[in-house]
Amino acid sequence: AQSVTQLGSHVSVSEGALVLLRCNYSSSVPPYLFWYVQYPNQGLQLLLKYTSAATLVKGINGFEAEFKKSETSFHLTKPSAHMSDAAEYFCAVSGSGGYNKLIFGAGTRLAVHP
Amino acid sequence: ETGVTQSPTHLIKTRGQQVTLRCSSQSGHNTVSWYQQALGQGPQFIFQYYREEENGRGNFPPRFSGLQFPNYSSELNVNALELDDSALYLCASQPSGGDTQYFGPGTRLTVL
Repeated sequence: AQSVTQLGSHVSVSEGALVLLRCNYSSSVPPYLFWYVQYPNQGLQLLLKYTSAATLVKGINGFEAEFKKSETSFHLTKPSAHMSDAAEYFCAVSGSGGYNKLIFGAGTRLAVHP
Repeated sequence: ETGVTQSPTHLIKTRGQQVTLRCSSQSGHNTVSWYQQALGQGPQFIFQYYREEENGRGNFPPRFSGLQFPNYSSELNVNALELDDSALYLCASQPSGGDTQYFGPGTRLTVL
């Protein structure tokens, strides 16, 4: 069985500060891991993904995430927050090999204040 | 390249009615998945279609059904609507041999 836990339903940072959104997963098979972002009244946009290649993954908009198997974590970071980063962020896991359902975490709402 | 599109954008129905939601997958994508996102929650997997056949189903009752057409577009049908069916319904398409699902903008369904 697979599951995802996102620690912190709400995170607030100042503009220019480090963004850290936490994601821990559980999977009985080698996982594929994803971070998606959702802006208000919109669908999900892929930020980055881990599919068993490099453990440090770089995505769009300056975000990156590191896969740590020993900690079963896939935390999302960005060195300097922008106001435009304010959104809901979802971590998701699927089995490797494609054509598998995504299991999502409950999401973390990121607020960025001046 | 056209992304995933969904129609309608918003829909209001009353309890007991039936609804059909539509999804056009991205060009070259032969797998379509549907997800339900209730307010304040993460998306929940409903089912997936691959080459017009159901390829997996989540924990949803049979009144949730779907179709995939030869052009890989898809429909989600929900019968006997309940108040708890109010949610954002997301469609995602995936290319042949690919590992990433690409989402449409969603259909917001409100059941009164």
